[in-house]
Amino acid sequence: GESVGLHLPTLSVQEGDNSIINCAYSNSASDYFIWYKQESGKGPQFIIDIRSNMDKRQGQRVTVLLNKTVKHLSLQIAATQPGDSAVYFCAEIPSSYKLIFGSGTRLLVRP
Amino acid sequence: KAGVTQTPRYLIKTRGQQVTLSCSPISGHRSVSWYQQTPGQGLQFLFEYFSETQRNKGNFPGRFSGRQFSNSRSEMNVSTLELGDSALYLCASSPDTQETQYFGPGTRLLVL
Repeated sequence: GESVGLHLPTLSVQEGDNSIINCAYSNSASDYFIWYKQESGKGPQFIIDIRSNMDKRQGQRVTVLLNKTVKHLSLQIAATQPGDSAVYFCAEIPSSYKLIFGSGTRLLVRP
Repeated sequence: KAGVTQTPRYLIKTRGQQVTLSCSPISGHRSVSWYQQTPGQGLQFLFEYFSETQRNKGNFPGRFSGRQFSNSRSEMNVSTLELGDSALYLCASSPDTQETQYFGPGTRLLVL
């Protein structure tokens, strides 16, 4: 079935370094993608989104890259901080009205 | 604007019982979606409502149902609870389809 998956279940980075979280999606018809951050005991929090007519979008300390050729998304976090420690999910919206979530990557920031 | 709110935040039930969870979307948002989150299955889509109509449904048994009211508030109901229904149930709202969904804090359900 349709799925969105992540390459690395856990990513450990040093505080101050840049983080890159990757995601592969399988539905080539999807035209909208979102990254969410989920901290323990909380619901997913919107980070950044991108539509399929774009290759790159930047936010505050975050950048999302979309490669439609290989159906790959990445989230880059600059100067990673302890508060960035969380589980990160990518999600896609195909033609239906539902989000399809990846399995998530846990980001651990070492002080 | 206030965020998405969900009640109750925590719930303990026993097998065979039924439960109703409530979600109030962000003001002005007409689309409400429900998701189940478990360690084993991750985040799975349950259903989506827009203007009191269910527009899409995930692959869950008929024991899971929902509805949306005219003020966009939504409820989901699970009947004949099973142990495997223990999960975090998340509600998300958006202005309309193909727009960013904003999540509430979730209702953690424990079935004993």
